[in-house]
Amino acid sequence: AQSVTQLGSHVSVSEGALVLLRCNYSSSVPPYLFWYVQYPNQGLQLLLKYTTGATLVKGINGFEAEFKKSETSFHLTKPSAHMSDAAEYFCAVTRAAGNKLTFGGGTRVLVKP
Amino acid sequence: DGGITQSPKYLFRKEGQNVTLSCEQNLNHDAMYWYRQDPGQGLRLIYYSQIVNDFQKGDIAEGYSVSREKKESFPLTVTSAQKNPTAFYLCASSIGPYYEQYFGPGTRLTVT
Repeated sequence: AQSVTQLGSHVSVSEGALVLLRCNYSSSVPPYLFWYVQYPNQGLQLLLKYTTGATLVKGINGFEAEFKKSETSFHLTKPSAHMSDAAEYFCAVTRAAGNKLTFGGGTRVLVKP
Repeated sequence: DGGITQSPKYLFRKEGQNVTLSCEQNLNHDAMYWYRQDPGQGLRLIYYSQIVNDFQKGDIAEGYSVSREKKESFPLTVTSAQKNPTAFYLCASSIGPYYEQYFGPGTRLTVT
């Protein structure tokens, strides 16, 4: 079985500061990994994904994530936070030949002016 | 514009009534999913369908039912057997089972 752990249910950052959201997964086979963002009362929007190939993945809105197999991690970063980054972020994992995504519990980001 | 629509955005029902939530996609995706989201609990999978006329239970299927008669439609019925139906319900679709999922805007159901 696969699982996803997001460290920290809430993160507070200052505008212009680094955003770092942590995601660790467990999977018995090579994973496919995703980060989603959710604004209040809306659906989830895909930020980025890793399937195969380059381990540093760039996404929308200036976010990127690095797949580290040895650490079973897929942390999400953004160099400079913007007020519009205030939202909830979900890490998710599946695997080739799998049939569903497994989501982490989410991390809510607060951006302080 | 391709995407997923869910209607209505807000839904109110009395306890004991069945209610059906709509989900339509025009992305030509084979797979569709229903999730439930409660505060602080992330997303939990209710049902999923990988092809028309076929669907499987997810992690919390009790008290819910679905149908998949058309590729573009995957309605969810919340029955009176669901003990705590008040939640935010999200529909999603994907090309196939292990591809990224695209989400609709959600329906917030309140049962009193």
